[in-house]
Amino acid sequence: NAGVTQTPKFQVLKTGQSMTLQCAQDMNHNSMYWYRQDPGMGLRLIYYSASEGTTDKGEVPNGYNVSRLNKREFSLRLESAAPSQTSVYFCASGGRKDTEAFFGQGTRLTVV
Amino acid sequence: RKEVEQDPGPFNVPEGATVAFNCTYSNSASQSFFWYRQDCRKEPKLLMSVYSSGNEDGRFTAQLNRASQYISLLIRDSKLSDSATYLCVVNEGEKLTFGTGTRLTIIP
Repeated sequence: NAGVTQTPKFQVLKTGQSMTLQCAQDMNHNSMYWYRQDPGMGLRLIYYSASEGTTDKGEVPNGYNVSRLNKREFSLRLESAAPSQTSVYFCASGGRKDTEAFFGQGTRLTVV
Repeated sequence: RKEVEQDPGPFNVPEGATVAFNCTYSNSASQSFFWYRQDCRKEPKLLMSVYSSGNEDGRFTAQLNRASQYISLLIRDSKLSDSATYLCVVNEGEKLTFGTGTRLTIIP
């Protein structure tokens, strides 16, 4: 049971570098999400995709782009990393509106 | 005003005690509600859904008050293994919004 798979698990970037966080789910879910989690701030929604081919901004989209490549995959890109983007990033997927979301194991990103 | 608000705690509770958490939400059109549990440095996992009629799962009871727009979680006979952060989650149609979480520590 893979569920939601995120890669990489850890990453250190220099300011200005770019990278893409990958996320894939094998549960045939329509909705996928990217969150960041910072101490004392809880999980904040960066972008979400309610279905294949659609993406929408969440609470903190600035500095990020996303791509819903197909139903399974939802990637998050940092074009020019900044120290303020140091965080733990979680990808999640969900089925119907009244059902739970499942999370990947998270990516710990440090920007120096 | 934050869309979903929780008391961040921490709650330090002796083993065997009963502890209650509350959560308020601002969007009256919210459709479904959940409590998640997150252990240190791990991903959040569903603890239980919250239904209008209230629901119970063993030592855990969740209730929803739509009129007052709050959700509660009651943990009875708390165990050491209940130590975690508890997240209130609201589904607003197409997105899930999380509260900041309430940290619970059960003391032996």
